[in-house]
Amino acid sequence: KQEVTQIPAALSVPEGENLVLNCSFTDSAIYNLQWFRQDPGKGLTSLLLIQSSQREQTSGRLNASLDKSSGRSTLYIAASQPGDSATYLCAASGGGADGLTFGKGTHLIIQP
Amino acid sequence: DAGVTQSPTHLIKTRGQHVTLRCSPISGHKSVSWYQQVLGQGPQFIFQYYEKEERGRGNFPDRFSARQFPNYSSELNVNALLLGDSALYLCASSLAYGTSAQYFGPGTRLTVT
Repeated sequence: KQEVTQIPAALSVPEGENLVLNCSFTDSAIYNLQWFRQDPGKGLTSLLLIQSSQREQTSGRLNASLDKSSGRSTLYIAASQPGDSATYLCAASGGGADGLTFGKGTHLIIQP
Repeated sequence: DAGVTQSPTHLIKTRGQHVTLRCSPISGHKSVSWYQQVLGQGPQFIFQYYEKEERGRGNFPDRFSARQFPNYSSELNVNALLLGDSALYLCASSLAYGTSAQYFGPGTRLTVT
């Protein structure tokens, strides 16, 4: 059974800093890994999807990497802004009928 | 294009009652999945439907059921509500089954009293 862990659970940094969020998964037989953002009480916004054959994906100030062999993914946020404050979730897909397996998320606060 | 839509936004029910939640996927998407998210946790997979057939089911009791209609919209039904069913229920749509990126709706906040 796939298990996904996110570290740290919470992070507070000053505006402008570059930061890294970590995601680890126990079963390396994933089809893809997806990063989401969730604002309080809201649904999930898809940020980046990395296929198992890829090593990284970039969108604007966001860069996500994937290392299947070590069971790890990282989300790099450059030049953080107060608007980046949210909970960030990673989710692994086995490509079959089991849906996405989520971590508990990293609650990020960017101080102005 | 409209994203995933869910209704209602909020719902308050009493223990033992039944509830129906609705979801409309992104136009052109044929797969709908349902997730339950309790406070402080990541979403938990409940069901996945593709082409109107159930393709996957998470570890939830038989009180939970769902269906997908010919227009690919979906309903999630929960019978005999328990206090522990209070959660944010999220619907996600994807182009295909199992391998495509999933796009989530705003969710339905269910409170059971």
